[in-house]
Order: sequence, then structure tokens, then C-alpha cells
Amino acid sequence: DAKTTQPPSMDCAEGRAANLPCNHSTISGNEYVYWYRQIHSQGPQYIIHGLKNNETNEMASLIITEDRKSSTLILPHATLRDTAVYYCIVRVIDYKLSFGAGTTVTVRA
Amino acid sequence: EAQVTQNPRYLITVTGKKLTVTCSQNMNHEYMSWYRQDPGLGLRQIYYSMNVEVTDKGDVPEGYKVSRKEKRNFPLILESPSPNQTSLYFCASSPRVQSYEQYFGPGTRLTVT
Repeated sequence: DAKTTQPPSMDCAEGRAANLPCNHSTISGNEYVYWYRQIHSQGPQYIIHGLKNNETNEMASLIITEDRKSSTLILPHATLRDTAVYYCIVRVIDYKLSFGAGTTVTVRA
Repeated sequence: EAQVTQNPRYLITVTGKKLTVTCSQNMNHEYMSWYRQDPGLGLRQIYYSMNVEVTDKGDVPEGYKVSRKEKRNFPLILESPSPNQTSLYFCASSPRVQSYEQYFGPGTRLTVT
């Protein structure tokens, strides 16, 4: 799996967009960028994934740079319930996930 | 409601006392997996199952057993728990083996004294 680098923590104001960066300079051509989040020791929750193109769903947007060496997860209107640890994962679509430390996002009122 | 359930949610036990953590999903998913999460080590896979009666080791299988006799259930068995198995355990499922999204259960916090 390609190694990812995320900031350990970040704060965001409620109602504002939260932009979470992830560096993955060693990504291979068949590896996808996934994002999961984990709210206070609950089960991890899938957010979004992408290969080359930018992606958007009801939870977030994923912006992947043209060289695919970095990406940004965007939570468009952060709420207090978005306070969580966010994990950026780069891997092929297969049967196994592994998470590192992630970014602890704190949304403040 | 589509979900993955685990029981118990919290368990404190003593070294050597056999225990089973149950996992059940109601989404007719083929693939199920067990993970453990430890501070500083992240999330690591213990065992997985691609379908009924098909199981295989993940990254950290030592000290654990699993079985998949029915599609919906995937229990995790610790025959002789030790303190280094104190951890937060998650069960997950997905529709297919190769699936971008895994659905996680709420977790089981196990303490072995």
C-alpha cells in the first residue's frame, strides 16, 4: 500500500468548509484514494473514494491532484457531528483495510 | 435497518478464560472481517471470510479463531485470552470481496487482566 501523510489535527468552525489534506506521493496507477472517519471509538464509516477524477457524494467531495500525489477531502458545511478522526487510505480495491493515525478534526461552535 | 451488530460491547475477563465475540450482519454480505484497533498501531486485520466456510488469516491472526457457518454470522473466538489481546475489536462486512466500502459494527472493547 502507498504510504499516506496527514496532519495530526485540525480545527474547523461550524458551518464552514473543512479541507483535509493527504499526501500520497508513492501512489500506484491502480490504487484508489479512500476516506473513512471514526467518531469517538465508534465503528469506522466510509466517506468517499476516487481514482483520478474528483468525486462528490452527499457527505463530502474528494479532490485529487492531476499527478495523484495528493488529495483533499472537503466537508462543505462542517457540523459538530463531523468531529472525528479522518483516515486517508491508498490501496487497490480488495478485501482489507488498514488505518494509520489519521487527522483528528474538531469542529467548534 | 441495515447494520452490523457485535456482542458484547464491553467485556472484562481474565487470562485463559475462553470467550466469543459475536458478529452478525443483515445485509446478505458475502465478505466479513475482524479487525483490532490499538493506540499507535492503527487498525489491523485479524481474520476475514469471503463466504460461508471460507476463512483466511489477516495480518495478526495469532491467538484467534473464527468460523463462518452461516452467511450472516462471523464469531471471533479467543481460546485462551492474554493481556496483549486487550483491544478494541471491530467486525465489518461488505457486499463482495472486492468492494470499496466496508460496513463496520459498533466495536467491542475487550480487557484481559
